[in-house]
Amino acid sequence: GAVVSQHPSRVICKSGTSVKIECRSLDFQATTMFWYRQFPKKSLMLMATSNEGSKATYEQGVEKDKFLINHASLTLSTLTVTSAHPEDSSFYICSARDWTGGRDQPQHFGDGTRLSIL
Amino acid sequence: KQEVTQIPAALSVPEGENLVLNCSFTDSAIYNLQWFRQDPGKGLTSLLLIQSSQREQTSGRLNASLDKSSGRSTLYIAASQPGDSATYLCALINDYKLSFGAGTTVTVRA
Repeated sequence: GAVVSQHPSRVICKSGTSVKIECRSLDFQATTMFWYRQFPKKSLMLMATSNEGSKATYEQGVEKDKFLINHASLTLSTLTVTSAHPEDSSFYICSARDWTGGRDQPQHFGDGTRLSIL
Repeated sequence: KQEVTQIPAALSVPEGENLVLNCSFTDSAIYNLQWFRQDPGKGLTSLLLIQSSQREQTSGRLNASLDKSSGRSTLYIAASQPGDSATYLCALINDYKLSFGAGTTVTVRA
């Protein structure tokens, strides 16, 4: 089955640090990937849609300059949390969709990244 | 904006009992609906995907139904096992975007 690899799985760093999270589709090409944020006991919130070779589309209320997204290839999207602060601490999950199978293909999710800012 | 509600937030059952998980949504103009499983500290595993033209999907002990007119989906898990303990999330899919419920955390007691 389709596999999405997300790295790192956990990050602990000091306030003011920038953190990069990678999302890779291992056995399929993903022209579009999605980044979500999840708070404890809350639903996943879509942050942005990452499009290969073009700018990401951000959801309302998500700071573009805070959460930088790059989708330079068909198998890799990165999310960089710039100048992270404690309020950015959360669980970040990416997903990717194999578009070759048609419109009804499901999204496949990475294992998530637990970000803790001290 | 699509609102997705999952009740109850948590559920504890003895092993062998059938599980019934509910998902309700406000906007019936959905394309597909997907059920996921999430283990603690992990990402999401897709369980079942129901297309808007379908009324149910089955996979092994899992059965999911979709009633767009009433804005509901139900996930049935037959003969629950301790390994079924996890959080179950439903997501409404419209224009490739997923709107998630907060999930139901299930504990199956041995």
